[in-house]
Amino acid sequence: GNSVTQMEGPVTLSEEAFLTINCTYTATGYPSLFWYVQYPGEGLQLLLKATKADDKGSNKGFEATYRKETTSFHLEKGSVQVSDSAVYFCARGAGKSTFGDGTTLTVKP
Amino acid sequence: GAGVSQSPSNKVTEKGKDVELRCDPISGHTALYWYRQSLGQGLEFLIYFQGNSAPDKSGLPSDRFSAERTGGSVSTLTIQRTQQEDSAVYLCASSLGLGLNQPQHFGDGTRLSIL
Repeated sequence: GNSVTQMEGPVTLSEEAFLTINCTYTATGYPSLFWYVQYPGEGLQLLLKATKADDKGSNKGFEATYRKETTSFHLEKGSVQVSDSAVYFCARGAGKSTFGDGTTLTVKP
Repeated sequence: GAGVSQSPSNKVTEKGKDVELRCDPISGHTALYWYRQSLGQGLEFLIYFQGNSAPDKSGLPSDRFSAERTGGSVSTLTIQRTQQEDSAVYLCASSLGLGLNQPQHFGDGTRLSIL
């Protein structure tokens, strides 16, 4: 079946550090790919998406590129802030999406 | 507001009782999903509704769990004879529909605690 594998957390970084959270997916078809973010005490919200190979999704300084050859959709940010502390979920497929287990990011000042 | 609304936000109940959780999706969204998120875990798919089609119940963990969606809008998730392992945050999401590359819009969830 469809699956998404995320880098295990927790991840702790200092402010202004570079962030990468790895995500790989099963290659059945050409699914849309998403990153969702869950800030403390809040519901999940869409961070960015990509709908076809080589697309780059971007939002709030975060980026992820749809890599069909490596079946990956890694999340990156060049300089994290304390306010980026949250749980990040990678997901594949629109509609009945398959979610990764989430990666907790803590950014320290 | 225009977002997905869930109620109650918190529910504490005794083991063995029945509970009902409500979800009011974004107006015009034909797809509605229920997930369960246990402490420190990812999202566990429970059930989804798409328009007038039969719901996909493949994620429901036992026959104590059921869900309805009346009039293509509001949905209720019912857990009968609750057990302590049912304690979790129950999330509802809606989207414009399948096959449209549309993301899901989530509510804030209902935190269910079974004593």
